Amino acid sequence: EAQVTQNPRYLITVTGKKLTVTCSQNMNHEYMSWYRQDPGLGLRQIYYSMNVEVTDKGDVPEGYKVSRKEKRNFPLILESPSPNQTSLYFCASRSPSGTEAFFGQGTRLTVV
Amino acid sequence: SQQGEEDPQALSIQEGENATMNCSYKTSINNLQWYRQNSGRGLVHLILIRSNEREKHSGRLRVTLDTSKKSSSLLITASRAADTASYFCATDRPSGYSTLTFGKGTMLLVSP
Repeated sequence: EAQVTQNPRYLITVTGKKLTVTCSQNMNHEYMSWYRQDPGLGLRQIYYSMNVEVTDKGDVPEGYKVSRKEKRNFPLILESPSPNQTSLYFCASRSPSGTEAFFGQGTRLTVV
Repeated sequence: SQQGEEDPQALSIQEGENATMNCSYKTSINNLQWYRQNSGRGLVHLILIRSNEREKHSGRLRVTLDTSKKSSSLLITASRAADTASYFCATDRPSGYSTLTFGKGTMLLVSP
């Protein structure tokens, strides 16, 4: 089954404690992205990757890092989380332009 | 930056009625896509319309695109309670990379 898998689904952490949210897709897609979703703001792109070792900033990259060492994986790293990063995070993957995106089930992160 | 803006922000109808949501965007696009999100879960692709298309159908969904007005509409006919969800438009820009930009969404409530 074609899918994008994120882990964990829920996470509560404390300010400053480094964390990683993993994302894996089994569709051999080149493009992967991370979004955050906040009430009233919709989905905003954090980072995206066009292929292995190729990443670029989206609209709200501050406080986040990503890496793309393998085609299937695109982890999101918060080196020093802060309460304003409390949000619902989505990973997505897609083939080159003109096709649909497949989304993971989301990671609800709370930073206290 | 947000490319698409949906209108209305919220819509409440009875089962059997039609639901119409609109999306406006700012720059030229390759295609426009509509997604659905059930409460806090991952987005699911509904339909894609290319910039050279004016109308597309899929089951009870009808999408129109007017590139001169930079707008699109999603019509759901004969709504069901199970259609209750948030609906997002996403634009795919004709740039050197491929990234989907989402609007803030329309929350649809269909009452039995």
